[in-house]
Amino acid sequence: SQTIHQWPATLVQPVGSPLSLECTVEGTSNPNLYWYRQAAGRGLQLLFYSVGIGQISSEVPQNLSASRPQDRQFILSSKKLLLSDSGFYLCAWTGDDHNSPLHFGNGTRLTVT
Amino acid sequence: AQKITQTQPGMFVQEKEAVTLDCTYDTSDQSYGLFWYKQPSSGEMIFLIYQGSYDEQNATEGRYSLNFQKARKSANLVISASQLGDSAMYFCAMRLSGGSYIPTFGRGTSLIVHP
Repeated sequence: SQTIHQWPATLVQPVGSPLSLECTVEGTSNPNLYWYRQAAGRGLQLLFYSVGIGQISSEVPQNLSASRPQDRQFILSSKKLLLSDSGFYLCAWTGDDHNSPLHFGNGTRLTVT
Repeated sequence: AQKITQTQPGMFVQEKEAVTLDCTYDTSDQSYGLFWYKQPSSGEMIFLIYQGSYDEQNATEGRYSLNFQKARKSANLVISASQLGDSAMYFCAMRLSGGSYIPTFGRGTSLIVHP
């Protein structure tokens, strides 16, 4: 069966520090991968998605970047965090079919201080 | 462009009663999938139920059913016999066929189940 792992679960970082959140998927190949951000009590904001190794699409211009160095690995990064980067970050994967649901990791709660 | 609308920011229901969470969608595509997700206060997003645009019968998964009315472009989630553990945010989402990789989410509905 497929599983998705996302870490760390919580993170407190000072403004201006770098960020690296990692997500890996097991049990499937060539998944579509996504990074979402969610502000407290709000909906999901799609940040990046990837349909293959090295292929990254950015949905929102911002302080963050994403990379997909391996088929089932998706990394969210920042060189210098801003206060506005605080939030709940969710990684997800799905198959190509339109009937394939998103499967989410457990999320990372990031607080920038 | 496709759009999902969830008009109920918050809903309250008594334990053991049924509740309907509304979702309307807008797309000109004929082939698409509709999904509901649950997000408890712990944060994880849990896939609940799927309905395909060509499915003639409403989808059911345990206590969850999807009231699909294609002509009205609505895909309401019905939770029967509500439980305290059903208290959560619920998101409706749509995904088009034909190589679309970006699901569209609604803003969510917060459901609180009272004992």
